[in-house]
Amino acid sequence: SAVISQKPSRDICQRGTSLTIQCQVDSQVTMMFWYRQQPGQSLTLIATANQGSEATYESGFVIDKFPISRPNLTFSTLTVSNMSPEDSSIYLCSVDKGLSTDTQYFGPGTRLTVL
Amino acid sequence: GDSVTQMEGPVTLSEEAFLTINCTYTATGYPSLFWYVQYPGEGLQLLLKATKADDKGSNKGFEATYRKETTSFHLEKGSVQVSDSAVYFCALRGSTDSWGKLQFGAGTQVVVTP
Repeated sequence: SAVISQKPSRDICQRGTSLTIQCQVDSQVTMMFWYRQQPGQSLTLIATANQGSEATYESGFVIDKFPISRPNLTFSTLTVSNMSPEDSSIYLCSVDKGLSTDTQYFGPGTRLTVL
Repeated sequence: GDSVTQMEGPVTLSEEAFLTINCTYTATGYPSLFWYVQYPGEGLQLLLKATKADDKGSNKGFEATYRKETTSFHLEKGSVQVSDSAVYFCALRGSTDSWGKLQFGAGTQVVVTP
């Protein structure tokens, strides 16, 4: 398994500001992902955080709005930029330890409210 | 593309009742299938998984069988408890997806009353 922590656990932000969410894993992992869960909705993949290279974004998500860093194999950040109330969601980090385990583990999430 | 369809909720049950949550999928090849659970105010936890046809995943009294012929992975529990109240997500990982990306269903809220 993997133990994943996220900071902050929740935040309330003003429109137009930016928030950086941190994700820390207790062991080196190959793949790290960022998901968004809008109120009452399922999870949508934002991007795959690649170590040492630019993140791979899903359709509908762009780097200018959701810049991602992955400086090493245990840590990643997601920034939500120029926030609006529509960005109010839970943001979840997840990790995949490799195809042999075929299991993805999730962090506790960051609950973001934008006023 | 790959997709997952779950029965809509909320599903409200009495304690000790039988629970079934239907999940069907569309995918090429042989995907891996998962059930995740999200308790109130918490993140997602892996509940069980199955990686090939006819496999049965089980955990905490929950079971689901990978049915290739019906493209289904229904979740069942014989006797639910109040503590099983949560949102349950069915998900798949495509066999052709080397990046490990998960496709989630919409989620089914389950409410168990004493």
